[in-house]
Amino acid sequence: GEDVEQSLFLSVREGDSSVINCTYTDSSSTYLYWYKQEPGAGLQLLTYIFSNMDMKQDQRLTVLLNKKDKHLSLRIADTQTGDSAIYFCAEKEGSSASKIIFGSGTRLSIRP
Amino acid sequence: DGGITQSPKYLFRKEGQNVTLSCEQNLNHDAMYWYRQDPGQGLRLIYYSQIVNDFQKGDIAEGYSVSREKKESFPLTVTSAQKNPTAFYLCASSPGQQLTEAFFGQGTRLTVV
Repeated sequence: GEDVEQSLFLSVREGDSSVINCTYTDSSSTYLYWYKQEPGAGLQLLTYIFSNMDMKQDQRLTVLLNKKDKHLSLRIADTQTGDSAIYFCAEKEGSSASKIIFGSGTRLSIRP
Repeated sequence: DGGITQSPKYLFRKEGQNVTLSCEQNLNHDAMYWYRQDPGQGLRLIYYSQIVNDFQKGDIAEGYSVSREKKESFPLTVTSAQKNPTAFYLCASSPGQQLTEAFFGQGTRLTVV
C-alpha cells in the first residue's frame, strides 16, 4: 500500500538551514504537503506542491520534489527557535478523492 | 470564525467504557477524517468520510466507530474493543475535491485509567 517515510529527528544550529527529507511510494500522488505540529496542538499546513512541479519557494521555505525518485524535501532557511516542532510530510492518494497519507513526522530541534 | 473544533481537549476513561470524541466544522467541507497519533508513529487514519451518510475505514478502524449524519459533524466513538486507546486523536476536514489542504482541530488527548 501507500507509504510515506521520514527520519524521526533533526537537530540544527540557530541561523543555519534545516533540510527535512521524505520519501513516498504512490506514484499517482497528485499533491504533496508539509505540515507543522507544535506541542499539544493540531497540524498546520506550511506549504504544498503539485506533482507536476519541481520546486516551490515561500519566504524561508523551499520545497523540492524529485518525482522520479519519489523524494520530497523541505528546506527552512535561517532556522529560528520558533521553528522547533514536528514536521509531517503527506501525500494525497491519487486513486481517491480525499484520502491523505502522513509520514511519521520529523522532530526538529534548534541548538543555540 | 470558520474552523474545526474538537472537544474535549482532555478526556479520561475507565477501562471497559465507550467514549465519544466530538468534531465539528463550519467550513462547509465535504470530507472529514479521524487520525490517531502515537509517539514516533505519526498519524494513522482511523476513519474518513467524503460525504454525509457515508464513511470508510482507514488503516486502524478496529475498536472505533463513527457516524456522519450531518455535514458539520463527525463524532468518533472509542469502544471497549479498542485494546490500547490512550493516544492523541486529531480530526480534520477538507473540501474533498482534488486538492486541497486538510484543516485540523486542536486534538483530544484520551487517557484510559
